Amino acid sequence: DVKVTQSSRYLVKRTGEKVFLECVQDMDHENMFWYRQDPGLGLRLIYFSYDVKMKEKGDIPEGYSVSREKKERFSLILESASTNQTSMYLCASSLAGGEHEQFFGPGTRLTVL
Amino acid sequence: GEDVEQSLFLSVREGDSSVINCTYTDSSSTYLYWYKQEPGAGLQLLTYIFSNMDMKQDQRLTVLLNKKDKHLSLRIADTQTGDSAIYFCAETGTYKYIFGTGTRLKVLA
Repeated sequence: DVKVTQSSRYLVKRTGEKVFLECVQDMDHENMFWYRQDPGLGLRLIYFSYDVKMKEKGDIPEGYSVSREKKERFSLILESASTNQTSMYLCASSLAGGEHEQFFGPGTRLTVL
Repeated sequence: GEDVEQSLFLSVREGDSSVINCTYTDSSSTYLYWYKQEPGAGLQLLTYIFSNMDMKQDQRLTVLLNKKDKHLSLRIADTQTGDSAIYFCAETGTYKYIFGTGTRLKVLA
């Protein structure tokens, strides 16, 4: 059974902290994605990666960075968390190319106080 | 712009049909997708349609595509309380999707 896992379901951090969100997929997918989901705004793409060590900015990369050292793992980093980064973060993976089904993790709800 | 638009809310009675609409932007999208998000969960693929099709039926689901108007719709027949969720349409690009804002479907018993 295909699986995308995220390191935490709920996370509470303080303003200015460095935050790591981890995502692991077991499907040998080339593509991995980080989205944030906010009410009324849908899913917005933060960063994506189409290969190990490759990364591309999405629509809202400001305040975030990513790391993909291994094919199965894609990390999202908030260098200095701010309250406006309180959100639901969703990781997804897919086969190479932009047209394949994306498989999503359960999400991490991050609250920055 | 790159906005994929959906209405935010839809409320129907159990047993009725639900129709969720989506207006997309890129006429070159090869596939158009519908994803479902149940409470507290990530998104799961519900169905998709290839861009050279007008309609696709899959059990209780019917997808209609109007390429001229860039309009996509999802019809759920005999809507059940288990269909209560957020539904996202998505168009595809070179590497990535563009998701709609999501429509929250509430099914009233």
